[in-house]
Amino acid sequence: NAGVTQTPKFQVLKTGQSMTLQCAQDMNHEYMSWYRQDPGMGLRLIHYSVGAGITDQGEVPNGYNVSRSTTEDFPLRLLSAAPSQTSVYFCASSYGGLGYGYTFGSGTRLTVV
Amino acid sequence: GQNIDQPTEMTATEGAIVQINCTYQTSGFNGLFWYQQHAGEAPTFLSYNVLDGLEEKGRFSSFLSRSKGYSYLLLKELQMKDSASYLCAVRGRYNNNDMRFGAGTRLTVKP
Repeated sequence: NAGVTQTPKFQVLKTGQSMTLQCAQDMNHEYMSWYRQDPGMGLRLIHYSVGAGITDQGEVPNGYNVSRSTTEDFPLRLLSAAPSQTSVYFCASSYGGLGYGYTFGSGTRLTVV
Repeated sequence: GQNIDQPTEMTATEGAIVQINCTYQTSGFNGLFWYQQHAGEAPTFLSYNVLDGLEEKGRFSSFLSRSKGYSYLLLKELQMKDSASYLCAVRGRYNNNDMRFGAGTRLTVKP
């Protein structure tokens, strides 16, 4: 049982480049989310999904797009990378009921130069 | 919106008890979560409170007072491996997937 798998683990981009962070879960979780974690600021919600075909914006959605074509996959696209997007990105998933905590992926450390 | 506050850093001694506080202000409330995050790793789920009172799980307990917007995580019989950041998170009322996190409390356990 792999849980939540994120790729890549590390990435360096040049300003203006685009890329997709991959996230896949094999637990049949309805809910999936993307967070970024910056020093002193905690985890901030970028986008989330409550099921296949349904996505919505979180706290800091600008510069990012998501889609959820299957229950398992929830990729995060950076449209035109900026230095302000340098961060650690975590994908998380959970069952839909109350009381279920998130299972997090191992994270992607992204640097934009 | 939501505002979640917790101390930035705490230090405690191996074998002791430590209490990590979290206060929150939120327009809706559907539960409070605690996560543990070791340096360089992903957060892992520790506990969940939605009703007032104490929830106990082995060496870890979590308390909630909804009227005061207050929670704490109590760690007993501290071990060196408990050195980590502890994240408080609140789930909003109108969106079960909208979980907002505090900045975390970095706990250092000393021998």
